[in-house]
Amino acid sequence: DTEVTQTPKHLVMGMTNKKSLKCEQHMGHRAMYWYKQKAKKPPELMFVYSYEKLSINESVPSRFSPECPNSSLLNLHLHALQPEDSALYLCASSHLDLNTEAFFGQGTRLTVV
Amino acid sequence: EDQVTQSPEALRLQEGESSSLNCSYTVSGLRGLFWYRQDPGKGPEFLFTLYSAGEEKEKERLKATLTKKESFLHITAPKPEDSATYLCASLTDSWGKLQFGAGTQVVVTP
Repeated sequence: DTEVTQTPKHLVMGMTNKKSLKCEQHMGHRAMYWYKQKAKKPPELMFVYSYEKLSINESVPSRFSPECPNSSLLNLHLHALQPEDSALYLCASSHLDLNTEAFFGQGTRLTVV
Repeated sequence: EDQVTQSPEALRLQEGESSSLNCSYTVSGLRGLFWYRQDPGKGPEFLFTLYSAGEEKEKERLKATLTKKESFLHITAPKPEDSATYLCASLTDSWGKLQFGAGTQVVVTP
């Protein structure tokens, strides 16, 4: 099983809303990632979690708050977003220190109105 | 500064017309070079991992190769279902952080 599951698939939220994106994997991967992808652009890394601890934050605004409750789950909490935050949000996972591929979920298409 | 550059930006092929996509990289300490396929509105789908110059990997109509400065993705006798954006990405650190090229959008017409 090489599946990373993301929910919801689509999300529309107002600028004053609070919402969360969820990601789950059961491949035993100890690294999990959030990427943001704008239309016609490649994915851009936001956060890296290794062994459930935040390892990399690519200077992401605090209105995005990641959380890793256990080795299989990764959340991204959203609050007070701006319309320019509308994008495809991708979760990925991989083994650590093995230089192997990352597997991506199908993404959450987020629209901020 | 590490860079990954893909060319061409877009490629339109007739069904059966073979071609190659290029991914050139200037990175320090390459740990792996990855190819992904991405359909519109979907997440990237893993295709290949290459680790050292001279390495080749094949899957159906796709073949990926690696040199010290670039990687190629060859598409042999493509079919319309091969239409997608193809992304390459480099891995240079132990955190698994991928640096993506901008992608090549491939359209295969019947």
